[in-house]
Amino acid sequence: SQELEQSPQSLIVQEGKNLTINCTSSKTLYGLYWYKQKYGEGLIFLMMLQKGGEEKSHEKITAKLDEKKQQSSLHITASQPSHAGIYLCGADPSSGSARQLTFGSGTQLTVLP
Amino acid sequence: DVKVTQSSRYLVKRTGEKVFLECVQDMDHENMFWYRQDPGLGLRLIYFSYDVKMKEKGDIPEGYSVSREKKERFSLILESASTNQTSMYLCASSLSRGRRSNQPQHFGDGTRLSIL
Repeated sequence: SQELEQSPQSLIVQEGKNLTINCTSSKTLYGLYWYKQKYGEGLIFLMMLQKGGEEKSHEKITAKLDEKKQQSSLHITASQPSHAGIYLCGADPSSGSARQLTFGSGTQLTVLP
Repeated sequence: DVKVTQSSRYLVKRTGEKVFLECVQDMDHENMFWYRQDPGLGLRLIYFSYDVKMKEKGDIPEGYSVSREKKERFSLILESASTNQTSMYLCASSLSRGRRSNQPQHFGDGTRLSIL
């Protein structure tokens, strides 16, 4: 089965600093999804990446999928307290199924004002 | 915007009770999912459904059942609640545009269930 490893597990940064979260797969990623979760709430969909080398941005958050489609990174520029939360990556386990997702264990982000 | 609504944010039940968690989505999505989320264990898939009256077991189906009588509604049932089922339960839905098309899952706000 596909496993997703996220690093770091937790991150504390000062407001205004840049940061990167990584998501590494043991198998080829056919679809990679980034979500954000605030404590005690549901997951909010951020971005989806499908093609090797693809990069997407939303406001100050940029996500990339490497050419080999086994690693994705999420980069936040000039972090703000509103960016705090848990970031999770999820992936399609195979090319033929668009239903199930496997999730990483998450990265807890704290942004100090 | 996609709206996935879970019936309760917080729920407290007793051991042995039959518990129903309801989830409704308003975007005509074919696929619906139930997860539980526990510290250190991440999100684990309990059951999912890709059509009305269809269901498939996820990674941890033991002690749970599901019902999908209408396309918009997916219910999770704890047949006889136990303390180890205390958890955060998350419902999600996604559109199915052919078997090779990737679509994100959209989540509800979660139900924090405590079994005493």
